[in-house]
Amino acid sequence: DTAVSQTPKYLVTQMGNDKSIKCEQNLGHDTMYWYKQDSKKFLKIMFSYNNKELIINETVPNRFSPKSPDKAHLNLHINSLELGDSAVYFCASSLYGQGNTGELFFGEGSRLTVL
Amino acid sequence: GNSVTQMEGPVTLSEEAFLTINCTYTATGYPSLFWYVQYPGEGLQLLLKATKADDKGSNKGFEATYRKETTSFHLEKGSVQVSDSAVYFCALSEMDSNYQLIWGAGTKLIIKP
Repeated sequence: DTAVSQTPKYLVTQMGNDKSIKCEQNLGHDTMYWYKQDSKKFLKIMFSYNNKELIINETVPNRFSPKSPDKAHLNLHINSLELGDSAVYFCASSLYGQGNTGELFFGEGSRLTVL
Repeated sequence: GNSVTQMEGPVTLSEEAFLTINCTYTATGYPSLFWYVQYPGEGLQLLLKATKADDKGSNKGFEATYRKETTSFHLEKGSVQVSDSAVYFCALSEMDSNYQLIWGAGTKLIIKP
């Protein structure tokens, strides 16, 4: 059983399109994250949800909208895709607050290519 | 604010060589320190961690010691293998930042047979 699973793994699309990436975790964690990793492997946090509530919202364009229907799912919707959105997007989960030992569990990533 | 600085890669070594990847940090409180590894085509996974000064984290032959006096957490391995080729990330978390991870930029390690 995959602990954190994201779909799709690869996404190739045209500029201006809208796309979504889905993430699910079966670890019973209450906190989920979206990270963006650029071509130089630099990792940047985008959003964090705790039990369906947004707790981190970094400086990310409004075109990016996370949605958490329940604490096991965190989806990412991107409107009006731009070339600069090309990256690998990682979903991750962890426990929250003092229960957070710093161990995040990552999905395998979704590679988005915008043409 | 808190930050993590890693040595820039790529680091290229021959098999069985000794590895050191440097990591230093700045923090306002008493952070926990981590090394994560990302193998090609995969997500990150925790490699080792240390939660207080002088602790040594170890896993898969890798070690790192939490040095408060030098604010460092260097990753070492005595004899690397081709399968260790990956990107290594140093990170910290502390209570003052609600335990959110602060990441280094990552260091790519290439091991040649």
